[in-house]
Amino acid sequence: QSVLTQAPSVSAAPGQMVTISCSGSNSNIGSHYVSWYQHLPGGAPKLLIYDNNKRPSGIPDRFSGSKSGTSATLDISGLQTGDEADYYCGTWDDSLSAGIFGGGTKLTVL
Amino acid sequence: QLQLQESGPGLVKPSETLSLTCTVSGGSISSGEYYWGWIRQSPGKGLEWIAVILDIGYTHSNPSFRSRIIFSSKDTSKNQFSLRLSSVTAADTAVYYCARGWDRHDHFDYWGQGILVTVSS
Repeated sequence: QSVLTQAPSVSAAPGQMVTISCSGSNSNIGSHYVSWYQHLPGGAPKLLIYDNNKRPSGIPDRFSGSKSGTSATLDISGLQTGDEADYYCGTWDDSLSAGIFGGGTKLTVL
Repeated sequence: QLQLQESGPGLVKPSETLSLTCTVSGGSISSGEYYWGWIRQSPGKGLEWIAVILDIGYTHSNPSFRSRIIFSSKDTSKNQFSLRLSSVTAADTAVYYCARGWDRHDHFDYWGQGILVTVSS
């Protein structure tokens, strides 16, 4: 059971938009930056969003992040079949004095 | 371009110690604004944050692993950092990743490809 809660799966059609949520508490999301990662099978996780809403160079603006209180969201617009992957949120937790990841959300593009 | 590469045994016996090394190229691990970390993914499960090292003697580890981490070290002369996890069981079978993290921003921007470690007799 992860400290950060994510829905196990989400699906949408190509071209549509999907929102992936990450719920935490004051000791983690409420006090620290949130990051988001895309993890394709057999590959290394890829940083999509850092500092709640910033995109690394090379990440398309179809990916956007936001944070409000103790929750964060990742929006993916203009869905493509290549976006099918597992998505994880991450942050720091003061109670654990360690970093944490959400349980992951599997995105299916129908 | 920064690159990270994990190395270590692919097979470890139960109760033994798992030793992993991450070799960094294209940049120095001496930079103070970064930390260097280990993350794993067990079969069918999500990402699990294990430990990070900023400087020698300055580490953070997941409480779930804290009692079994013998040391998390950094060798600036070789541009490597390492992790040793003791008393492994089948539950430690996983793909282990090393990654570069940003101190106080708490995200990992560069990752190794991962190494599969199987715990089995």
